[in-house]
Amino acid sequence: GIQVEQSPPDLILQEGANSTLRCNFSDSVNNLQWFHQNPWGQLINLFYIPSGTKQNGRLSATTVATERYSLLYISSSQTTDSGVYFCAVDGAGANSKLTFGKGITLSVRP
Amino acid sequence: NAGVMQNPRHLVRRRGQEARLRCSPMKGHSHVYWYRQLPEEGLKFMVYLQKENIIDESGMPKERFSAEFPKEGPSILRIQQVVRGDSAAYFCASSRDRGIEKLFFGSGTQLSVL
Repeated sequence: GIQVEQSPPDLILQEGANSTLRCNFSDSVNNLQWFHQNPWGQLINLFYIPSGTKQNGRLSATTVATERYSLLYISSSQTTDSGVYFCAVDGAGANSKLTFGKGITLSVRP
Repeated sequence: NAGVMQNPRHLVRRRGQEARLRCSPMKGHSHVYWYRQLPEEGLKFMVYLQKENIIDESGMPKERFSAEFPKEGPSILRIQQVVRGDSAAYFCASSRDRGIEKLFFGSGTQLSVL
């Protein structure tokens, strides 16, 4: 099946700093989503982005499907951005089930 | 418009007991997906259901686990004769159509097996 690799595995930031989170995938995808899991375990859908670039406030994401990677940018980070960020993909013919990466643990310090 | 609702939020069972986890999809959604998350890991797909049909159960363990999504009522994930290794967070997600765009998750059920 499709492989999803996220990097770096852990990230510590000072409040106000910017960061880039990376997701590499091993095959063509129909669907790519970024999720934030907060410290209480809730999964929040950030972006549906199989290709192109999207922005939502301080967050933006870019997927280059031909090169099989996606980037999540966090600008002016806040302590509430802490948590785990997951990239999940739906490979071609995968019957709509998402394969998740292992996540990137982000800690934003005040 | 309520989101995906899961209950209970926390479930404690002793080894050998049964666990029933419930998921009510978002209004207007007829596709339900169950995922399991072990500590320090990402989510693993278990099963994909539509009303009264199991579409893909390739991620379900062959024994003790079953899922249903009846015509009326919530989707149920059932684990019989639980073992300690079943302890995990179980998440449900729903979508309006097959070929999902955004997937919306419930808050999860944390199952602890003593």
